[in-house]
Amino acid sequence: DGGITQSPKYLFRKEGQNVTLSCEQNLNHDAMYWYRQDPGQGLRLIYYSQIVNDFQKGDIAEGYSVSREKKESFPLTVTSAQKNPTAFYLCASSIEQNTEAFFGQGTRLTVV
Amino acid sequence: GESVGLHLPTLSVQEGDNSIINCAYSNSASDYFIWYKQESGKGPQFIIDIRSNMDKRQGQRVTVLLNKTVKHLSLQIAATQPGDSAVYFCAENKTGRRALTFGSGTRLQVQP
Repeated sequence: DGGITQSPKYLFRKEGQNVTLSCEQNLNHDAMYWYRQDPGQGLRLIYYSQIVNDFQKGDIAEGYSVSREKKESFPLTVTSAQKNPTAFYLCASSIEQNTEAFFGQGTRLTVV
Repeated sequence: GESVGLHLPTLSVQEGDNSIINCAYSNSASDYFIWYKQESGKGPQFIIDIRSNMDKRQGQRVTVLLNKTVKHLSLQIAATQPGDSAVYFCAENKTGRRALTFGSGTRLQVQP
């Protein structure tokens, strides 16, 4: 059945290491997004992509990178430059901008 | 699962009562609004949306009201059930803008 899948659900990283979070969708959506969520806060936009091979920075892009080589996939790399990477990361997709966004189940990243 | 909103405003209601969750949005040019429900450790789920050319929209047990004059959005849940316990987020967007902007959320606790 159709949906958006994030993996892994839980991820532990040592300080100084890069780590890549996976996001795959089979909804045939053009737009994909990455949000970060911290306790007591709403979702903040990291990166978004409107179409394959194109992506734009969101509000908190520093220390993160993305790629969009395939329509179905939008992986997020958390680099060692991200000073406070421990958070809940949510990937979403929508058929186009300004329509309902469907979310994955999230990846909880913990830096140890 | 771990809570995603430890310091959120909380609305506590009795099972069977109606709930009203409020949201003040920031951009007077926003023309699309969504309510999401997020259970602990999971991604947000779409509840209902409304466009700025409407002031009310009804779904199953839920109603969204939009007051553009005071930039206020509300979600009404009829006959609240224990399964409605979650964090509720409003989100807004403006046509041509990049992605949804989320509010900070309200925790709904339903007492049996």
